[in-house]
Formats: sequence, C-alpha cells, structure tokens
Amino acid sequence: SQTIHQWPATLVQPVGSPLSLECTVEGTSNPNLYWYRQAAGRGLQLLFYSVGIGQISSEVPQNLSASRPQDRQFILSSKKLLLSDSGFYLCAWSILGMTQYFGPGTRLLVL
Amino acid sequence: DAKTTQPPSMDCAEGRAANLPCNHSTISGNEYVYWYRQIHSQGPQYIIHGLKNNETNEMASLIITEDRKSSTLILPHATLRDTAVYYCIVFRQIIQGAQKLVFGQGTRLTINP
Repeated sequence: SQTIHQWPATLVQPVGSPLSLECTVEGTSNPNLYWYRQAAGRGLQLLFYSVGIGQISSEVPQNLSASRPQDRQFILSSKKLLLSDSGFYLCAWSILGMTQYFGPGTRLLVL
Repeated sequence: DAKTTQPPSMDCAEGRAANLPCNHSTISGNEYVYWYRQIHSQGPQYIIHGLKNNETNEMASLIITEDRKSSTLILPHATLRDTAVYYCIVFRQIIQGAQKLVFGQGTRLTINP
C-alpha cells in the first residue's frame, strides 16, 4: 500500500531564516505531487504541483519554491521566511489527476 | 470546477447516523463528488467519491441525487473519533496533468457522547 511521509511534524523558525520541508511517497511510481498550505481558520491553498522529476508548477507568487529531485520526493523551500509563511503545510500525491491523498502535514510557526 | 455549499456545523449523537448534506447545483456531467475530512491538526483524509451512482465503502456511504445537484455523506454509526471538518468537493478527473483541489470551509461535525 502507499504511504506518504512529511517531516518535520512541527517547526519554529525565526523570520529571515531558511526553510526546507520534505515529503516522500512510498508504494507508487510516477505520482503527481502537491504542496498545499492551510492558514489558521482557512481553507487549503494549492502552492505547487509536479507531474514528474524536475517539473514544478507554481500556483501563487510568493517567496517559497519547490523541487522534485527524485520521483517520490518533493521539497518545499524558502531562502528567507516571512511571518506570513506560518501555517500548516500539506503534501499530497495522486496518480494522474485522480484522487489525492494527503500526508500528516508540517506545522510551521515563524516568529 | 463547480462550487459546493455545506452547512457550517452539525451535531450528532454517538452511535447514530450522521448525514452531511452538500449542494453542488452547477456540477458538470463529468465532475465527480468527493468527500474528505480533517481531524484537528491532521492532514485531510479521503473518504469516498462518486459520479452518478450511490457508493459505499468501509467508512461511509455517498448518496447522490438523480439530478446530481446535491449529495449526502452518511456515517452509519458515528463515533467520537468522527468529530472533524468534512469537505465536499467536486472536480473533474483528468488523465494528464494535475488536478487542483479547492477546499471550502466544510462542515464541522461534532459527535456528542
């Protein structure tokens, strides 16, 4: 069966510091991968998605970036965090454009 | 993708059936109805989806009206662990590319002992 991992689970970072969140998927090949963010009390916002290694599509302009160095690895990064980057970051996978399955999430607090 | 409307909150007694409604009056013929739930501080969990016919799995049942303009998610014997925010989403499955899910505010379901 397929599983999706995210780490770290919780992160507290100072403003201006770099960020690296990792997501890996097991049990499937060539998945679509997604990064969503959920701000406190709000719905999910799609940030990035990838349909293959090295292929990244950005949905909203921001100081975040994403990379997909391996088939089942998706990384969310920032060079300098802003206060507004705080939130709950969720990685998801799907086969083609079908059902999306979410990971456990990373809760980021920027101080 | 079609927009959905859900009640902001609902309560249900433990052991009873929880029936969560969703209106999607502008749904297109090739759009599926999906249900997810999000338990506090966890990632959204896929529950069930359907196109035209009613569907049932180990978690829930999905009843879609004949005109497809509304649906109901049924949790047959609700437990305290079913307390969560439930999201109804409609979107078109695609073969190539990635599908962007849009989650609204959902229904906050509280199961009471």
